[in-house]
Amino acid sequence: SQQGEEDPQALSIQEGENATMNCSYKTSINNLQWYRQNSGRGLVHLILIRSNEREKHSGRLRVTLDTSKKSSSLLITASRAADTASYFCADMEYGNKLVFGAGTILRVKS
Amino acid sequence: DAGVIQSPRHEVTEMGQEVTLRCKPISGHDYLFWYRQTMMRGLELLIYFNNNVPIDDSGMPEDRFSAKMPNASFSTLKIQPSEPRDSAVYFCASNKWASGASEQYFGPGTRLTVT
Repeated sequence: SQQGEEDPQALSIQEGENATMNCSYKTSINNLQWYRQNSGRGLVHLILIRSNEREKHSGRLRVTLDTSKKSSSLLITASRAADTASYFCADMEYGNKLVFGAGTILRVKS
Repeated sequence: DAGVIQSPRHEVTEMGQEVTLRCKPISGHDYLFWYRQTMMRGLELLIYFNNNVPIDDSGMPEDRFSAKMPNASFSTLKIQPSEPRDSAVYFCASNKWASGASEQYFGPGTRLTVT
């Protein structure tokens, strides 16, 4: 099965700046989800964007999906120190099975 | 709801010993997933169940790993015998299937160290 590729692998920004993370898959991209993982914790679902959607917003999060390029991006605006975490994209391979990307480690400096 | 519950949170064992990890999914969820997370391999799906029945175990690394779900509120992942390369964080997740896509709810994980 394919694994999502995420870039950058790590990102360090100042509080208040925007953070952009990208995700791509080699084969088709379907209903894409983004998750956050704080250090030592389980993953928490952030947002789902369906294959027929191009953009979705949730609070300070903005997700875009380009099925032709098999890619998605997550933008966090006005970042806060509490946003420091790892962020993972996950695509539905089939049925209820998710295939996760390698993740982006975000560090927000205050 | 208390969320997905996993136990133990930490397990340290010696090579060759049997290890059993436990999971209680969120009540009403009909899917349960077991994942393993390591620095080298990232987050890997090991096996998942639908209505207590294993659907896909293609991610189970080898015969030393086995998983059961005797009822809707309990699942176990067993490693026998354990090896140092099994050291990882093991997550259990659950969800209720909805048309198209459903978010998964993750437990806090069990950090396994095999010495």
